[in-house]
Amino acid sequence: DVKVTQSSRYLVKRTGEKVFLECVQDMDHENMFWYRQDPGLGLRLIYFSYDVKMKEKGDIPEGYSVSREKKERFSLILESASTNQTSMYLCASRHHVRRGANYGYTFGSGTRLTVV
Amino acid sequence: KQEVTQIPAALSVPEGENLVLNCSFTDSAIYNLQWFRQDPGKGLTSLLLIQSSQREQTSGRLNASLDKSSGRSTLYIAASQPGDSATYLCAVGGATNKLIFGTGTLLAVQP
Repeated sequence: DVKVTQSSRYLVKRTGEKVFLECVQDMDHENMFWYRQDPGLGLRLIYFSYDVKMKEKGDIPEGYSVSREKKERFSLILESASTNQTSMYLCASRHHVRRGANYGYTFGSGTRLTVV
Repeated sequence: KQEVTQIPAALSVPEGENLVLNCSFTDSAIYNLQWFRQDPGKGLTSLLLIQSSQREQTSGRLNASLDKSSGRSTLYIAASQPGDSATYLCAVGGATNKLIFGTGTLLAVQP
């Protein structure tokens, strides 16, 4: 069964801490994504990566960075956590769009981050 | 800018009913549309993926249709069960390689 695995289901961190959220996929997907989900705001794209060492800003990149050193792993980094980054974080992956083939997204089970 | 809307925002039905969830999008230049299910506090589970060239997809009791020209998709659930209770999200994919999500429909199926 193909999977996107997020290393933590729940995290509690203090304001100012550096936080790492890890995501691993076993489907050899080129593209990986980080979203956050908040009540009333839906899912918003933070960053995505279309290949190793490549990254693109999404709609709300401020306060975040990412790392993609290996194809299967995409890390989201909160440089200095703040209370407004308390949220559900969702990782997703998919194959890159190819001629005649558009692929669906596979999501992980989410990380509920609370910053106190 | 692509916007995706889902109606209704919430729906409560008795077990056994057939029901339809609606999704509309403003820009018809999409590559595909995907329906997801999300249980409380959990991640998203993909239900159906419809390519822009397709009119519908079926999986078990679920049937999703796509009318790209009018910017609409529907998710039909036959013979609903309490286990179908969840939030249902539609999302459109386009040339930007981003997935744009709707606001979701919270479904409650009463036993």
